[in-house]
This record gives sequence, structure tokens and C-alpha cells, in this order.
Amino acid sequence: DQQVKQNSPSLSVQEGRISILNCDYTNSMFDYFLWYKKYPAEGPTFLISISSIKDKNEDGRFTVFLNKSAKHLSLHIVPSQPGDSAVYFCAARTRGSNYKLTFGKGTLLTVNP
Amino acid sequence: DGGITQSPKYLFRKEGQNVTLSCEQNLNHDAMYWYRQDPGQGLRLIYYSQIVNDFQKGDIAEGYSVSREKKESFPLTVTSAQKNPTAFYLCASSTPGTGSALRYGYTFGSGTRLTVV
Repeated sequence: DQQVKQNSPSLSVQEGRISILNCDYTNSMFDYFLWYKKYPAEGPTFLISISSIKDKNEDGRFTVFLNKSAKHLSLHIVPSQPGDSAVYFCAARTRGSNYKLTFGKGTLLTVNP
Repeated sequence: DGGITQSPKYLFRKEGQNVTLSCEQNLNHDAMYWYRQDPGQGLRLIYYSQIVNDFQKGDIAEGYSVSREKKESFPLTVTSAQKNPTAFYLCASSTPGTGSALRYGYTFGSGTRLTVV
């Protein structure tokens, strides 16, 4: 049973427009959510995170929104740039589990010039 | 610079052979992890270790073994019992999940692509 779901395998956006990547979760015990970016043949790199006690966190062009009642979070990238083209993974930590993250399957974002 | 080093970047193995993937970190992180990535499958946890000389199975541990004799090192052995070992393997590390460490989650290595020939 997949606890972190990224239902869109891919997303294509024009340069300068907004990219919105979505993530749904089923486990109410998740208390921290993170987004990672991954280029082919490389390890994922941390992008942005949000605690479950917040509903928004912003860092430059990246904003993560959390809707706890809907068990949904989204990553907004504004404006999108060609260098943002990568696979984006949503991950979640279970409350009380200091170490273990659960990852979604990822969404491939392509930003077209 | 601190980071995680995985070696080799590419590895070829004959069927029936065991092979060991290296993972070394100089971040002074307590916890280390091994993940496997397959197309369309995302990241799946193989093993993780919270402290030296201790490790736990993840979601797909069958056919794999690990050791954690040093804080800096967490090698993964892919044994002949692993039915489908061809994949991209990622090692990661983290400090205990509080404060700034939790905000940044894991630090990943650059991965090892294992191919069975």
C-alpha cells in the first residue's frame, strides 16, 4: 500500500510559467514533508520541507503548500526555468520515527524554453 | 567538502555472484540508508542503520546484506539470492530527525548503477 502518492508521472510547462507538482498521502502519522529534486544518474538533492503544523513554506521560487484535511501537498515553482527539468520526489516522515522517510514515485518535470 | 561518496558509479555483475557497493560519508551523520530506484518505482528502502553495529531491514531487504562497523561506512552486499538486482542504488545519511536536520532530511550520494550480465 503506497502511503505517499504522486499521481502524475510527468508534467510539461513553458519557461516562465508556474509548475505545480502534487502529492497525496494516507498516513495521518506523517508529521514532516520534504521535496527532493533528482537529475538522471545522480542522487536526489533536498529542495524544501514543511512541518505538519504549518500550511505554507516558501524559499525563493519554491513554495510548498500543505492541506492536512485533504492529506495533500503541492510544490509550486514560479517562474519555471529549463534547469528545473528533473524528477521531483515527495517524501514524508512518520511521527516518532526519527530516521525513516517514505518516498513517492516521483514526477518528471520538463520545462520547455 | 563534506558529503557522501558511493563507488563505483557503474558496476557489472555476473549472475550468481555477490557484489558489494561502497558508501562512505564524512558528515558525522549517525544514520545511513540504502535505497533502490527502479523505473516508475520511486525510491524503496533496503536497509538502514541508526548507529554503529546496528541496522534494520527496510521494505525490500531480501537478497541484500549490510554492515555498519564504522560510523562513516555502510556497505551494501547484493547477494546471488537477489532475483532482480539490476537497478540504481542510492546511499543516504542523516542526523537525528530534529531541528535543522529534519528540515533538510537526507543527504544522498550520487548512486551506483548495477547491471547483471
